[in-house]
Amino acid sequence: EPEVTQTPSHQVTQMGQEVILRCVPISNHLYFYWYRQILGQKVEFLVSFYNNEISEKSEIFDDQFSVERPDGSNFTLKIRSTKLEDSAMYFCASSGGQGDYEQYFGPGTRLTVT
Amino acid sequence: ELKVEQNPLFLSMQEGKNYTIYCNYSTTSDRLYWYRQDPGKSLESLFVLLSNGAVKQEGRLMASLDTKARLSTLHITAAVHDLSATYFCAVEYVRIWGAGTKLIIKP
Repeated sequence: EPEVTQTPSHQVTQMGQEVILRCVPISNHLYFYWYRQILGQKVEFLVSFYNNEISEKSEIFDDQFSVERPDGSNFTLKIRSTKLEDSAMYFCASSGGQGDYEQYFGPGTRLTVT
Repeated sequence: ELKVEQNPLFLSMQEGKNYTIYCNYSTTSDRLYWYRQDPGKSLESLFVLLSNGAVKQEGRLMASLDTKARLSTLHITAAVHDLSATYFCAVEYVRIWGAGTKLIIKP
């Protein structure tokens, strides 16, 4: 069964460093998403991506964040200068679109900023 | 401000009982999503409700949507331990999420 994959599973970085979180969505899906979840708290939408551009973004998704789909399979989230408060689980998701609204989530990347 | 409120936030119940989780939202969204998250795990999509009056069922879970009341319910019938998880609802094209309902079902 097709699945969304994410790498790495755990990333530790120092404050101020850049990180790139990687996702491989399901191959025929058209919509891609990033969410974050601080431990034990609610899920927060970051950004959605369709047709090679951002379709929606939240207030959290400021200039420190960017997304890219560099090669037609990977979907990446870059945080340019990490802050302590960026420590969270980051989930990637994809959905088929065109009437197929169900989202499929990856296993997540735990980001720890020290 | 766009808000999604779930209640209860925490629910402990016995196996075999029925219960309902409520999701109220402040937007005019006509699409609502329910998700499940097991402890330490990722998210799993349960239901996508697309219009007023939509009802979907999967096993012991049934979800419904009333867009006029801006309310969705997730009903659990004859709960079993395996349904213990945190359940989230979301609206506005999955941008606005509730805080989650942590459900513990005791044998």
